Amino acid sequence: DAKTTQPPSMDCAEGRAANLPCNHSTISGNEYVYWYRQIHSQGPQYIIHGLKNNETNEMASLIITEDRKSSTLILPHATLRDTAVYYCIVLGNQFYFGTGTSLTVIP
Amino acid sequence: GAGVSQSPSNKVTEKGKDVELRCDPISGHTALYWYRQSLGQGLEFLIYFQGNSAPDKSGLPSDRFSAERTGGSVSTLTIQRTQQEDSAVYLCASSWGPGWSGELFFGEGSRLTVL
Repeated sequence: DAKTTQPPSMDCAEGRAANLPCNHSTISGNEYVYWYRQIHSQGPQYIIHGLKNNETNEMASLIITEDRKSSTLILPHATLRDTAVYYCIVLGNQFYFGTGTSLTVIP
Repeated sequence: GAGVSQSPSNKVTEKGKDVELRCDPISGHTALYWYRQSLGQGLEFLIYFQGNSAPDKSGLPSDRFSAERTGGSVSTLTIQRTQQEDSAVYLCASSWGPGWSGELFFGEGSRLTVL
């Protein structure tokens, strides 16, 4: 299963876009990139996933580079409720979560 | 039920005792995962069940940990002779299984405290 690398922490001003990077240089051609987030004391929550093309839903956008070795999760207008740990996962046989990026949205 | 259900939500036990944690996945989901999350840490994979296939136990930290899934539905994670380092939130998740490229659904977790 491909490993992912994320910065341990980031800050973002409220109302601004939050751009969370993820490196997955060993990703295979049929492995999806998933993003989850975990708000304190809750179970992880699904955000978005993609294979090759950029994806957008009501929560976020996912930008995957052409070589698929990295991706960026974009929260277009961050709110205080978006403060959470964000996990980037490459789905091989199982969902392996790393330590994620702790995003703090600042008022 | 509508979601993944875990019980108990909180369990306090004494060192050396055995504990059982239960997970009731979403009906029809063939894939079931157990994770452990220690305070301030990320999710640690423990075990993965997929249908009738042999489970992937590669994440179990020691032979004190075991899990079973009866009838392809409910799963029980058993920790024997608990140690203080076993204190964590144990999370269960389920999904539709291989070929499914969508969401993994999580329960709210079972918080285990070993005194």
